[in-house]
Amino acid sequence: DIVMTQSPDSLAVSLGERATINCKSSQSLLYTSNNKNCLAWYQQKPGQPPKLLIFWASTRESGVPDRFSGSGSGTDFTLTISSLQAEDVAVYYCQQYYSTPQTFGQGTKLEMK
Amino acid sequence: QVQLQESGPGLVKSSETLSLTCTVSGGSIGNYYWSWIRQPPGKGLEWIGYIYYTGSTNYNPSLKSRVSISVDTSKNQFSLRLSSVTAADTAVYYCVRIRRYSGGPDASDIWGQGTMVTVSS
Repeated sequence: DIVMTQSPDSLAVSLGERATINCKSSQSLLYTSNNKNCLAWYQQKPGQPPKLLIFWASTRESGVPDRFSGSGSGTDFTLTISSLQAEDVAVYYCQQYYSTPQTFGQGTKLEMK
Repeated sequence: QVQLQESGPGLVKSSETLSLTCTVSGGSIGNYYWSWIRQPPGKGLEWIGYIYYTGSTNYNPSLKSRVSISVDTSKNQFSLRLSSVTAADTAVYYCVRIRRYSGGPDASDIWGQGTMVTVSS
């Protein structure tokens, strides 16, 4: 299985400041046929299912605010929220879909400072 | 828009079989992968497995001996069966749509609200 490790486990950021969450995979997620990385980011608020934010490591899902961006390639990936809003307080998960079983990071809890 | 709704018992006795159904509304079950993902209380997400609309399946090896996912295209539903459950199977169970690209399954773009299943002794 591909192991996904997120850092930090929790993060407190002030309103309007930048938040950065990292995700490292135990093997490359680069799909050579299309030169894209099989990595997604999800946001989960309390009592709600996860919501897809980013796929192919850097493509924003329709309707997701442009303050959310994804970057990285191979085994190292980053989710950045450029200017934190109150509604962004949530737990964020990365997920690889390069191979089965699909696996998730342990989650990063983002709070307001 | 496409919506998913889980249904099934919220309480299952230890050693028995957990059975859940997901009804897909607002769109066809065709041309997508359909998955089950679970989340124990206060913990992270675990992928259980998926089924393609044609019926081909892929399961998490950690659960493979106990899990079965099936699809009924005539009813626009897919189902999960997990046998010999224990307290460790207590979780919120989500049914999920996985998009498809030329190489296989893509990201999980639509999630049901989830249903809590508790295994009792």
